[in-house]
Amino acid sequence: DIQMTQSPSSLSASVGDRVTITCRASQSIGNYLHWYQQKSGKAPKLLIYGASNLQSGAPSRFSGSGSETDFTLTISSLQPEDFATYYCQQSYITPPTFGQGTKVEVK
Amino acid sequence: EVQLLESGGGLVQPGGSLRLSCAASGFTFSSYAMSWVRQAPGKGLEWVSSISASSGSTYHADSVKGRFTISRDNSKNTLYLQMKSLRAEDTAVYYCTKHDGGGYNARDYWGQGTLVTVSS
Repeated sequence: DIQMTQSPSSLSASVGDRVTITCRASQSIGNYLHWYQQKSGKAPKLLIYGASNLQSGAPSRFSGSGSETDFTLTISSLQPEDFATYYCQQSYITPPTFGQGTKVEVK
Repeated sequence: EVQLLESGGGLVQPGGSLRLSCAASGFTFSSYAMSWVRQAPGKGLEWVSSISASSGSTYHADSVKGRFTISRDNSKNTLYLQMKSLRAEDTAVYYCTKHDGGGYNARDYWGQGTLVTVSS
């Protein structure tokens, strides 16, 4: 199975900060990498698919980059509604696997 | 508007069975692959099972292989997960998810989840 490792596991930030989360795959996955946001008690929502494509309805302050094994999710200016847990997921090979999550908390 | 509505969760004893359902609306259900993803209390996301649009192909995580079966009824726009020989470690919120149609297999829509608790 492909292992997905996110860093950091948690971070503290303030409204307006630029936030970067990284995701590393244990082997090359091309651009079959997706990012999800999960707020407490809610279902995850797709933010970015194919490493860099913004899902319809997702705010433009979210962006994704990377390919092969190293990927990044960036929030250009953190908003109050962005405090949540973020997961990366690869769909290159079955079984699809998720990172362990990155919790973005209020500083 | 795409909607996925899970049902069938609840409390079940170890070794018991349960069938989850997911009623889909707002899209052409028969054209999309679907999956179940679960989340144990306080933990991360774990893929459980997937099924192709036509039911021709199914896939299950090793942790549930031989115990869980994914299926779908395209005439009823409904996805199922039959769970048998349930264990305490199967306790989780189970989400029904739709695959995107663009080839990436991202899960572009998720249901609200249904809680399965395995306990005596």
